[in-house]
Order: sequence, then C-alpha cells, then structure tokens
Amino acid sequence: DGGITQSPKYLFRKEGQNVTLSCEQNLNHDAMYWYRQDPGQGLRLIYYSQIVNDFQKGDIAEGYSVSREKKESFPLTVTSAQKNPTAFYLCASKDSIGTGHTEAFFGQGTRLTVV
Amino acid sequence: QKEVEQDPGPLSVPEGAIVSLNCTYSNSAFQYFMWYRQYSRKGPELLMYTYSSGNKEDGRFTAQVDKSSKYISLFIRDSQPSDSATYLCAMGQGNTPLVFGKGTRLSVIA
Repeated sequence: DGGITQSPKYLFRKEGQNVTLSCEQNLNHDAMYWYRQDPGQGLRLIYYSQIVNDFQKGDIAEGYSVSREKKESFPLTVTSAQKNPTAFYLCASKDSIGTGHTEAFFGQGTRLTVV
Repeated sequence: QKEVEQDPGPLSVPEGAIVSLNCTYSNSAFQYFMWYRQYSRKGPELLMYTYSSGNKEDGRFTAQVDKSSKYISLFIRDSQPSDSATYLCAMGQGNTPLVFGKGTRLSVIA
C-alpha cells in the first residue's frame, strides 16, 4: 500500500530533551512537509523540502530542525529550544507540479507531549 | 488580512441536512483548491480537489469555486453522523506549500 507513515503515534518528552519524529513515504513524491496543529490554530507550516538535500523554513521553524537525505524520509527534530512543543505534528507529501498532481497527502500524525 | 479565512464553527446539524462550509481567500494567484476531512486524532484526508471555477460533484459532496469572488464552498447532502469531523479548505499555486484554513468543526446529530 502506498502512503505516508509517521512514527511514533504518541511521544512523551521531558523538558530539555530533543526528540525526533519520523516520516516515511513510498509515494515517490518530491515534496515533503511538516505541520504543527494546535486547537483553534489550524495547520502551521514548520519546514518543507522540494527535493533531496534541500529544505526551507516555514512560518514557525524556530526550535525545529529537519534533514532530507533520502527522497522517502523527512525526519523532524524538536529541540529543547522549542518552548511549547506539546502539539499534534503532521507530515505530508506532494508530487511536483510538472506531473499535474498537486494534492497533498498526510500521515496519521504524532502527538507529542512534554512531561 | 489572513490569506485564507474559514469559520471555525462548531456547526451542528440534524442528520439528513444539507451542510454548507465556506472559505474566502485574498490571493488571486491561487490556482487549485481542496477540501480535507479530519477525524479526531487522525491525519487529514483529501475529499475534493479542483482547479477551476464552477462545481465539482462526488457522491454527496459538491465543491464550488468562485474565483471572481475569491470564495470556495463545500456542500454535503444528506449528512450522516459519520460526516462529523473537522473540514479544512486548502489552496495553492505552483510548487509552493498549500495554505490551509483553520478548519470548521461539524457535528451531525442522529
């Protein structure tokens, strides 16, 4: 089955720790995205990558880092510099515009809680 | 002014009602428009997707785009309790990331 897999589903972090959220896709999509979702705030873009070994900051990149070493994988690290990391994190992927397919597909999310 | 405005609701309707969900936007460069449905604690799933002004129908769902008014709508006919979810509009241009509305929370009461 083609799709996007996020892991873990639930993650607990102690104050001052870095944690890494996994996102893997087997859709052969070029672009991948990380969003944060808080109640009443909608989806806010953290980072995105249009191609391997390249990524751009979104609207709320501070306190987060990413890498894109493989087309299939786009892990997100929530660093200790992120002051309010408790949220629902969503990974998405999208084909490139040249294919005519512009819809984004989402994983099932990771709920991160700081304890 | 935010790029995409969407009433967060909540919206509560009886089973069988016609539901109308709406978004307005300010960027006339948007080329394509989507509606996503998100159940609680799940990732959004794509419902409808269109490039052009006009109507697109898929079963009980109709997506409507009016580019001249910068207004998009999603209609749900014969609404069911299983339609209870948050509905997100999204729009984009070229290869840039999609811009999302904040979502409207819908409850369909049996």
